[in-house]
Amino acid sequence: QVQLQESGPGLVKPSQTLSLTCTVSGGSISNDIFHWSWIRQPAGKGLEYIGRIFASGSTNYNPSLKSRATISVDTSKNQFSLKLNSVTAADTALYYCARLRIATAGRNCYYMDVWGKGTTVSVSS
Amino acid sequence: QTVVTQEPSFSVSPGGTVTLTCGLSSGSVSTGYYPSWYQQTPGQAPRTLIYSTNTRSSGVPDRFSGSILGNKAVLTITGAQADDESDYYCVLYMGSGIWVFGGGTKLTVL
Repeated sequence: QVQLQESGPGLVKPSQTLSLTCTVSGGSISNDIFHWSWIRQPAGKGLEYIGRIFASGSTNYNPSLKSRATISVDTSKNQFSLKLNSVTAADTALYYCARLRIATAGRNCYYMDVWGKGTTVSVSS
Repeated sequence: QTVVTQEPSFSVSPGGTVTLTCGLSSGSVSTGYYPSWYQQTPGQAPRTLIYSTNTRSSGVPDRFSGSILGNKAVLTITGAQADDESDYYCVLYMGSGIWVFGGGTKLTVL
């Protein structure tokens, strides 16, 4: 049973860089049918896709973040990470990591099949 | 910028049937967007209900079903129960590693 666990500072100052790590247990981060994503949710609001990475290191990001996000992977530690620079109060949110399943039974599927519990990050001085 | 549309709120009586929709601000939703649906209760991470338009995730009761109806993806809950009261999100895959969430529908069962 694959589990994902987010970790990182719960408080970041404005204009600084938010850094979070997602540790994957119970399965390999290098499996080709899975990609790995970050999603966030401001309090009382909806979910927002931040971006994804796969084991090779290739990434894609939500254009709305205006190139502030960087996702990286460490296959030796079975972890992937998010950095979001130049944060403002608008970046205060519950941040989730989620596994993206790309294929099942030989067919493409493209959905989030395993979620972490989430970690709250507040941006405040 | 692509916007995925959902009803902000919906209400259903216990035992009733409700159909939640997932559309696009411009264009039609098709199976090629691989629509997926997620249920979120307060304080919990989202739970995957449906993927690839109509495939139930493991352990999801068969009262939840997904399909394409007209130009939208839909989630139908048949025989609604009190613990179905949740927020429901649809997600569309836009290609090139980009997924877009709908704004979510708050479902009330009363």
